Amino acid sequence: GAVVSQHPSWVICKSGTSVKIECRSLDFQATTMFWYRQFPKQSLMLMATSNEGSKATYEQGVEKDKFLINHASLTLSTLTVTSAHPEDSSFYICSARGGTSPKEQFFGPGTRLTVL
Amino acid sequence: GNSVTQMEGPVTLSEEAFLTINCTYTATGYPSLFWYVQYPGEGLQLLLKATKADDKGSNKGFEATYRKETTSFHLEKGSVQVSDSAVYFCALNGPGGGADGLTFGKGTHLIIQP
Repeated sequence: GAVVSQHPSWVICKSGTSVKIECRSLDFQATTMFWYRQFPKQSLMLMATSNEGSKATYEQGVEKDKFLINHASLTLSTLTVTSAHPEDSSFYICSARGGTSPKEQFFGPGTRLTVL
Repeated sequence: GNSVTQMEGPVTLSEEAFLTINCTYTATGYPSLFWYVQYPGEGLQLLLKATKADDKGSNKGFEATYRKETTSFHLEKGSVQVSDSAVYFCALNGPGGGADGLTFGKGTHLIIQP
């Protein structure tokens, strides 16, 4: 139980285009989802926290107009990187919290974004 | 703000060796402390946790003790196996006990040789 999936697992796009990454909780309802970003050999950095049906809370330094987060249902959150640039290339990881372990975060496998 | 420092990798050990991965933290209040493991191609999995000072988290032969006086949460295992090869992340969250996102260390890549 407590499985979180992400789609796609990797994506390559041209500079200036937008990319959408999906995060799904497959067998539980996620009241809260988190989005992290990980650079090579670096920590996972929290980007934003989203609760179902409300606006996401962004960490300091994260552009909310560039990284659009939509938590439309209890099993789906999406991260859209708008007008992507090469510096947005990174590994994006989501986690979800809810179900029978409301304090534990369950992580997706991550999405590798490469912007050319 | 909160921060986590863990030893740089990769750490290479022989099977059945003793493992220690150091982790120290800086945080306000009394955070909860975690160790996550990431196997190749998979998402992060919670390995163990401790929510208050002197608590010991344990799982799959791994242990870590919440040391408030030294602000540390070192991961140990008495006898490692090849299957323990993975990346290990030390993390903490706020005193809300899960209300906040996690602050992670950089991760330590562990390689166990047969």
